[in-house]
Amino acid sequence: NAGVTQTPKFQVLKTGQSMTLQCAQDMNHEYMSWYRQDPGMGLRLIHYSVGAGITDQGEVPNGYNVSRSTTEDFPLRLLSAAPSQTSVYFCASSYSRQANSPLHFGNGTRLTVT
Amino acid sequence: KQEVTQIPAALSVPEGENLVLNCSFTDSAIYNLQWFRQDPGKGLTSLLLIQSSQREQTSGRLNASLDKSSGRSTLYIAASQPGDSATYLCAALPLYSSNTGKLIFGQGTTLQVKP
Repeated sequence: NAGVTQTPKFQVLKTGQSMTLQCAQDMNHEYMSWYRQDPGMGLRLIHYSVGAGITDQGEVPNGYNVSRSTTEDFPLRLLSAAPSQTSVYFCASSYSRQANSPLHFGNGTRLTVT
Repeated sequence: KQEVTQIPAALSVPEGENLVLNCSFTDSAIYNLQWFRQDPGKGLTSLLLIQSSQREQTSGRLNASLDKSSGRSTLYIAASQPGDSATYLCAALPLYSSNTGKLIFGQGTTLQVKP
């Protein structure tokens, strides 16, 4: 079972460049989300999706776009990278938002913006 | 606004010891509380999920308890092993997050089990 797969594992960007972080899950989960993890700030929700075709903003959405054209895939796009976006990004999914659905995480993408 | 706190930030114990990790939250209006494990350079692995109506959950050597009235959850690890060394995070799903599914995470406790 692959679970939640994120690519790439590492990425270095220059300020102003754009890129897409890929996320795919093979568990037929409705709910998918993106978090960033920063020292001293913990994990913060960027965007989330409750099903194909539906996305919404989380706590820190500025500078990021998402789409959910299929149940399996939930890519995160950085439009114009800034040093403040240097972070570790985690994609996570669960069967639903409901109370008995644990969240499954990918292994993360470590992004450095210079 | 829900806040989740984990104290201590780091803990070192000898192998074989039973230990308790603490998690406190400020608002008892939660759907569930989840415990995760994070190994260096890896993602978070879900360990246990306690629903709001439950008092505890068990998986192998792990037991998590929930006391909403006091705003506390504990993760009990029995007979600790060096392989248990990792960062343990707790996260609450507030009732006000029913639409977003946004978890509120603690900062984590980094556990080192010495052989």
